[in-house]
Amino acid sequence: AQKVTQAQTEISVVEKEDVTLDCVYETRDTTYYLFWYKQPPSGELVFLIRRNSFDEQNEISGRYSWNFQKSTSSFNFTITASQVVDSAVYFCALSGGGSYIPTFGRGTSLIVHP
Amino acid sequence: EAQVTQNPRYLITVTGKKLTVTCSQNMNHEYMSWYRQDPGLGLRQIYYSMNVEVTDKGDVPEGYKVSRKEKRNFPLILESPSPNQTSLYFCASSSIAGSAYNEQFFGPGTRLTVL
Repeated sequence: AQKVTQAQTEISVVEKEDVTLDCVYETRDTTYYLFWYKQPPSGELVFLIRRNSFDEQNEISGRYSWNFQKSTSSFNFTITASQVVDSAVYFCALSGGGSYIPTFGRGTSLIVHP
Repeated sequence: EAQVTQNPRYLITVTGKKLTVTCSQNMNHEYMSWYRQDPGLGLRQIYYSMNVEVTDKGDVPEGYKVSRKEKRNFPLILESPSPNQTSLYFCASSSIAGSAYNEQFFGPGTRLTVL
């Protein structure tokens, strides 16, 4: 069975601080995909990134960066110089292994104070 | 504009009164799915469909039905709603071109309250 753990239920930071959201996953599959989604206060879910298990390169997109480490089964998400607009719930998700049922973590609520 | 639409956005109903939440996508996606989101539980998949007339259970299918008669539509049916189905529901779709595990596009959500 697959499992995704987002141990941080809520994180509170002040604007311009860097913040890292943790995601630890469990799977027995060798081929799998990891995702991050953002859910702002308006409620919609927005795709941020997809990474497959064979690509351990870190990725940077503006203030966002992702650190994928198979050795620790982690796919952490860092926001540099956080802004109030980054306030949202962030979900990490796992798919693969022939199952078309994604496993989502319980989400981390990020609150960025001005 | 590429989008997934859901209707209604908000619904208050009573136990046992059948209801349907519609979902439609205009991206010609093969894969469609329904999720429910509950506080502290994240998103859990109810049903998914890989294509027309092909549906399968997700993690929490009890009390729900779906159908996929057209590629663009994937309605969620609650034949006899109960209070434990009070939740926020999301429809999602994705292309399976190149991979069956592409990113999903989500609808705006339907907040359902069953009294």
